[in-house]
Amino acid sequence: SQTIHQWPATLVQPVGSPLSLECTVEGTSNPNLYWYRQAAGRGLQLLFYSVGIGQISSEVPQNLSASRPQDRQFILSSKKLLLSDSGFYLCALHGGGGGARRNTEAFFGQGTRLTVV
Amino acid sequence: KNEVEQSPQNLTAQEGEFITINCSYSVGISALHWLQQHPGGGIVSLFMLSSGKKKHGRLIATINIQEKHSSLHITASHPRDSAVYICAPREAGSYQLTFGKGTKLSVIP
Repeated sequence: SQTIHQWPATLVQPVGSPLSLECTVEGTSNPNLYWYRQAAGRGLQLLFYSVGIGQISSEVPQNLSASRPQDRQFILSSKKLLLSDSGFYLCALHGGGGGARRNTEAFFGQGTRLTVV
Repeated sequence: KNEVEQSPQNLTAQEGEFITINCSYSVGISALHWLQQHPGGGIVSLFMLSSGKKKHGRLIATINIQEKHSSLHITASHPRDSAVYICAPREAGSYQLTFGKGTKLSVIP
C-alpha cells in the first residue's frame, strides 16, 4: 500500500533563513501530491499540488515554492522564512496513479511542525 | 467553491457515550473522506465513502449525497478516540479535497 515519508518532524528556524521540507512516496506511481499548511487552531490550507514531474500548481501566493524533481518526491522550499510561515505542514497523496491503480484513498505524511523565530 | 461545515466544533463526552459528528457541503461530490488527527498532528483516513454507510469497528460513517450531508458516529466512545475529526469532500471531476475545520473530541474516563 501507499506510504508517505516526510521529514523533519520538527524544525525551528530563524526569520530570513531558507527552508526545505521533503516528502517521498512509496507504493504507487504517478501520484497526485499536495502540500498543506495548518495554522494553530485552523483547518488545512492547500499550498501546492502536483500531478506529475515538474508540474506545480500554487493555490496561495506567498514566499514558499514547491518542486517535483522525481515522480515520488515533492519538496517545499523557501528562500527566506517569515514569522507567518510558522505552522504544521503536511504532505498528502490523493488521486493520480492510473487505471486500476488510481489512488482514490487519501494518505498523509506525519507532518512537520515549523516554528520560525 | 465547496463550503464545508462541521458541527460541533468541540465535543466532550463521557467514556461509553454514543457520539455523532456532522458535515455538510455545498457542491456535488464524488466521495467524502473522514480523517482523524491525533494531538501529535499526524492524519489518518478513517473512511472514504460515496454512498450509503460504512462501518469499521466502533466507527460508522454515513452519507446522503442528495442532501449533501455526512455523519460520523462513534459507539461506546473511549478516551483513545480523543482527536480532531475532519470531513473532506472531493468535488465531482476532481481529486482535490476541501477540508472542514474539524471537530475536537475529548472523551473523559
